[in-house]
Amino acid sequence: GEDVEQSLFLSVREGDSSVINCTYTDSSSTYLYWYKQEPGAGLQLLTYIFSNMDMKQDQRLTVLLNKKDKHLSLRIADTQTGDSAIYFCADISLGTYKYIFGTGTRLKVLA
Amino acid sequence: KAGVTQTPRYLIKTRGQQVTLSCSPISGHRSVSWYQQTPGQGLQFLFEYFSETQRNKGNFPGRFSGRQFSNSRSEMNVSTLELGDSALYLCASSLGTQSPSPLHFGNGTRLTVT
Repeated sequence: GEDVEQSLFLSVREGDSSVINCTYTDSSSTYLYWYKQEPGAGLQLLTYIFSNMDMKQDQRLTVLLNKKDKHLSLRIADTQTGDSAIYFCADISLGTYKYIFGTGTRLKVLA
Repeated sequence: KAGVTQTPRYLIKTRGQQVTLSCSPISGHRSVSWYQQTPGQGLQFLFEYFSETQRNKGNFPGRFSGRQFSNSRSEMNVSTLELGDSALYLCASSLGTQSPSPLHFGNGTRLTVT
Protein backbone atom coordinates (compact mmCIF):
# COMPACT_ATOMS: atom_id res chain seq x y z
CA GLY A 1 0.00 0.00 0.00
CA GLU A 2 0.91 3.65 -0.04
CA ASP A 3 3.39 4.84 2.55
CA VAL A 4 4.71 8.09 4.00
CA GLU A 5 7.98 8.12 5.94
CA GLN A 6 9.59 10.66 8.23
CA SER A 7 12.57 10.68 10.54
CA LEU A 8 11.53 10.36 14.18
CA PHE A 9 13.50 13.12 15.91
CA LEU A 10 15.06 16.50 15.20
CA SER A 11 16.77 18.80 17.66
CA VAL A 12 17.72 22.41 16.86
CA ARG A 13 18.81 25.52 18.74
CA GLU A 14 16.46 28.46 19.16
CA GLY A 15 16.88 30.91 16.30
CA ASP A 16 18.20 28.30 13.87
CA SER A 17 16.24 26.91 10.93
CA SER A 18 14.59 23.50 11.17
CA VAL A 19 14.09 21.23 8.19
CA ILE A 20 11.70 18.30 8.53
CA ASN A 21 11.71 15.78 5.71
CA CYS A 22 9.11 13.40 4.37
CA THR A 23 9.08 10.85 1.57
CA TYR A 24 5.99 9.33 0.05
CA THR A 25 5.31 6.56 -2.42
CA ASP A 26 1.99 7.52 -4.00
CA SER A 27 2.53 8.90 -7.49
CA SER A 28 -1.08 10.10 -7.71
CA SER A 29 -0.91 12.41 -4.68
CA THR A 30 -2.83 15.60 -5.32
CA TYR A 31 -2.21 17.59 -2.17
CA LEU A 32 0.41 17.21 0.54
CA TYR A 33 -0.11 18.56 4.02
CA TRP A 34 1.86 19.47 7.10
CA TYR A 35 0.32 19.24 10.55
CA LYS A 36 1.62 20.14 14.01
CA GLN A 37 0.64 18.36 17.22
CA GLU A 38 1.34 19.84 20.62
CA PRO A 39 1.09 17.75 23.80
CA GLY A 40 -2.46 16.83 24.74
CA ALA A 41 -3.96 18.30 21.58
CA GLY A 42 -5.14 17.21 18.18
CA LEU A 43 -3.35 17.91 14.92
CA GLN A 44 -3.30 21.49 13.70
CA LEU A 45 -3.08 22.20 9.96
CA LEU A 46 0.03 24.26 9.20
CA THR A 47 0.10 24.44 5.42
CA TYR A 48 -0.39 22.41 2.27
CA ILE A 49 0.96 22.31 -1.26
CA PHE A 50 -0.59 21.22 -4.51
CA SER A 51 1.35 18.48 -6.26
CA ASN A 52 2.13 20.62 -9.34
CA MET A 53 3.93 23.25 -7.24
CA ASP A 54 7.60 23.19 -6.26
CA MET A 55 7.52 25.58 -3.36
CA LYS A 56 5.15 27.42 -1.08
CA GLN A 57 6.07 30.04 1.50
CA ASP A 58 3.88 31.09 4.40
CA GLN A 59 5.55 33.47 6.86
CA ARG A 60 8.24 31.42 8.66
CA LEU A 61 7.24 28.21 6.87
CA THR A 62 8.60 27.08 3.51
CA VAL A 63 7.42 23.87 1.87
CA LEU A 64 9.54 22.31 -0.87
CA LEU A 65 8.25 19.52 -3.07
CA ASN A 66 10.38 17.34 -5.33
CA LYS A 67 7.79 15.33 -7.18
CA LYS A 68 10.34 13.31 -9.14
CA ASP A 69 11.92 11.99 -5.93
CA LYS A 70 8.62 12.04 -4.01
CA HIS A 71 10.25 14.16 -1.32
CA LEU A 72 8.58 16.86 0.74
CA SER A 73 10.20 19.14 3.28
CA LEU A 74 9.07 21.76 5.78
CA ARG A 75 11.51 24.49 6.71
CA ILE A 76 10.81 26.59 9.80
CA ALA A 77 12.86 29.78 9.89
CA ASP A 78 13.98 31.32 13.20
CA THR A 79 12.75 28.32 15.20
CA GLN A 80 11.28 29.18 18.60
CA THR A 81 10.69 27.06 21.71
CA GLY A 82 6.96 27.22 20.92
CA ASP A 83 7.68 25.26 17.75
CA SER A 84 8.56 22.20 19.82
CA ALA A 85 5.96 19.62 18.80
CA ILE A 86 5.39 16.59 16.59
CA TYR A 87 5.10 17.37 12.88
CA PHE A 88 3.21 15.10 10.51
CA CYS A 89 3.17 15.11 6.75
CA ALA A 90 0.20 13.60 4.93
CA ASP A 91 -0.88 13.05 1.37
CA ILE A 92 -4.15 12.27 -0.31
CA SER A 93 -4.50 10.17 -3.41
CA LEU A 94 -6.57 11.17 -6.40
CA GLY A 95 -10.00 9.62 -6.14
CA THR A 96 -9.65 7.91 -2.76
CA TYR A 97 -10.34 10.71 -0.28
CA LYS A 98 -8.04 8.78 2.05
CA TYR A 99 -5.22 10.57 3.84
CA ILE A 100 -1.96 8.75 4.51
CA PHE A 101 0.00 10.15 7.46
CA GLY A 102 3.67 9.82 8.19
CA THR A 103 4.99 8.59 11.51
CA GLY A 104 5.60 12.12 12.76
CA THR A 105 8.85 13.95 13.55
CA ARG A 106 9.35 15.15 17.11
CA LEU A 107 11.02 18.56 16.98
CA LYS A 108 12.83 19.70 20.12
CA VAL A 109 14.00 23.31 20.26
CA LEU A 110 16.83 24.02 22.69
CA ALA A 111 16.99 27.44 24.32
CA LYS B 1 -16.56 29.19 13.19
CA ALA B 2 -16.52 26.54 15.92
CA GLY B 3 -13.91 23.83 15.55
CA VAL B 4 -14.29 20.08 15.76
CA THR B 5 -15.65 19.03 19.13
CA GLN B 6 -15.04 15.63 20.66
CA THR B 7 -16.71 14.32 23.80
CA PRO B 8 -15.86 13.13 26.31
CA ARG B 9 -12.30 14.35 26.71
CA TYR B 10 -11.28 11.48 28.98
CA LEU B 11 -12.71 8.02 29.58
CA ILE B 12 -11.71 5.15 31.83
CA LYS B 13 -13.27 1.79 31.07
CA THR B 14 -12.76 -1.80 32.13
CA ARG B 15 -11.76 -4.66 29.83
CA GLY B 16 -14.81 -6.22 28.20
CA GLN B 17 -16.96 -3.08 28.37
CA GLN B 18 -18.00 -1.03 25.39
CA VAL B 19 -17.61 2.68 24.74
CA THR B 20 -19.09 5.33 22.46
CA LEU B 21 -17.20 8.45 21.45
CA SER B 22 -18.81 11.47 19.85
CA CYS B 23 -17.62 13.99 17.29
CA SER B 24 -19.26 17.20 16.07
CA PRO B 25 -17.65 18.46 12.85
CA ILE B 26 -17.15 22.00 11.64
CA SER B 27 -20.37 23.40 10.22
CA GLY B 28 -20.63 22.61 6.51
CA HIS B 29 -18.20 19.70 6.63
CA ARG B 30 -19.68 16.46 5.34
CA SER B 31 -16.76 14.13 5.96
CA VAL B 32 -15.71 12.79 9.36
CA SER B 33 -12.67 10.58 9.86
CA TRP B 34 -11.50 8.73 12.96
CA TYR B 35 -7.93 7.95 13.95
CA GLN B 36 -6.33 6.01 16.78
CA GLN B 37 -3.06 7.39 18.12
CA THR B 38 -0.72 5.38 20.35
CA PRO B 39 2.96 5.91 21.17
CA GLY B 40 3.91 2.60 19.58
CA GLN B 41 1.76 2.59 16.43
CA GLY B 42 1.51 6.28 15.65
CA LEU B 43 -1.57 7.58 13.87
CA GLN B 44 -3.77 4.77 12.55
CA PHE B 45 -6.78 5.38 10.31
CA LEU B 46 -10.02 3.78 11.49
CA PHE B 47 -12.70 4.90 9.03
CA GLU B 48 -14.20 7.83 7.19
CA TYR B 49 -17.84 8.75 6.73
CA PHE B 50 -19.23 11.04 4.08
CA SER B 51 -22.92 11.94 3.92
CA GLU B 52 -23.82 9.13 6.33
CA THR B 53 -21.99 6.44 4.32
CA GLN B 54 -18.72 4.79 5.22
CA ARG B 55 -16.41 5.74 2.33
CA ASN B 56 -13.05 4.45 3.60
CA LYS B 57 -12.02 1.89 6.16
CA GLY B 58 -8.73 1.06 7.88
CA ASN B 59 -7.50 -2.29 9.12
CA PHE B 60 -9.19 -2.56 12.48
CA PRO B 61 -11.26 -5.48 13.80
CA GLY B 62 -15.05 -5.43 13.68
CA ARG B 63 -15.17 -4.38 17.35
CA PHE B 64 -14.56 -0.87 16.04
CA SER B 65 -17.58 0.63 14.33
CA GLY B 66 -18.92 4.04 13.53
CA ARG B 67 -21.80 5.93 12.10
CA GLN B 68 -22.67 9.37 10.87
CA PHE B 69 -25.94 11.19 11.31
CA SER B 70 -27.79 13.45 8.88
CA ASN B 71 -26.33 16.54 10.60
CA SER B 72 -22.81 15.11 9.94
CA ARG B 73 -22.16 14.40 13.61
CA SER B 74 -20.43 11.07 14.08
CA GLU B 75 -20.05 8.44 16.75
CA MET B 76 -17.49 5.71 17.14
CA ASN B 77 -18.14 2.58 19.15
CA VAL B 78 -15.68 0.04 20.49
CA SER B 79 -17.13 -3.17 21.91
CA THR B 80 -15.45 -5.75 24.15
CA LEU B 81 -12.64 -3.41 25.10
CA GLU B 82 -9.09 -4.73 25.34
CA LEU B 83 -6.11 -3.23 27.15
CA GLY B 84 -4.54 -2.47 23.78
CA ASP B 85 -7.43 -0.16 22.90
CA SER B 86 -6.03 2.43 25.31
CA ALA B 87 -5.21 5.36 23.06
CA LEU B 88 -6.03 8.88 22.00
CA TYR B 89 -8.91 8.77 19.53
CA LEU B 90 -8.96 11.68 17.14
CA CYS B 91 -11.79 12.83 14.98
CA ALA B 92 -11.26 15.06 11.95
CA SER B 93 -13.72 16.74 9.64
CA SER B 94 -13.35 18.09 6.12
CA LEU B 95 -15.42 19.16 3.14
CA GLY B 96 -14.81 15.69 1.77
CA THR B 97 -13.91 16.87 -1.71
CA GLN B 98 -10.59 16.54 -3.52
CA SER B 99 -9.48 20.08 -3.97
CA PRO B 100 -8.27 20.98 -1.38
CA SER B 101 -9.99 19.58 1.61
CA PRO B 102 -7.66 19.53 4.58
CA LEU B 103 -8.61 17.64 7.71
CA HIS B 104 -9.46 19.68 10.79
CA PHE B 105 -8.90 17.76 14.00
CA GLY B 106 -10.54 17.83 17.39
CA ASN B 107 -8.50 17.56 20.58
CA GLY B 108 -9.33 13.90 20.96
CA THR B 109 -10.77 11.53 23.52
CA ARG B 110 -8.21 9.86 25.76
CA LEU B 111 -9.44 6.31 26.45
CA THR B 112 -7.84 4.23 29.19
CA VAL B 113 -8.80 0.57 29.49
CA THR B 114 -7.96 -1.12 32.80
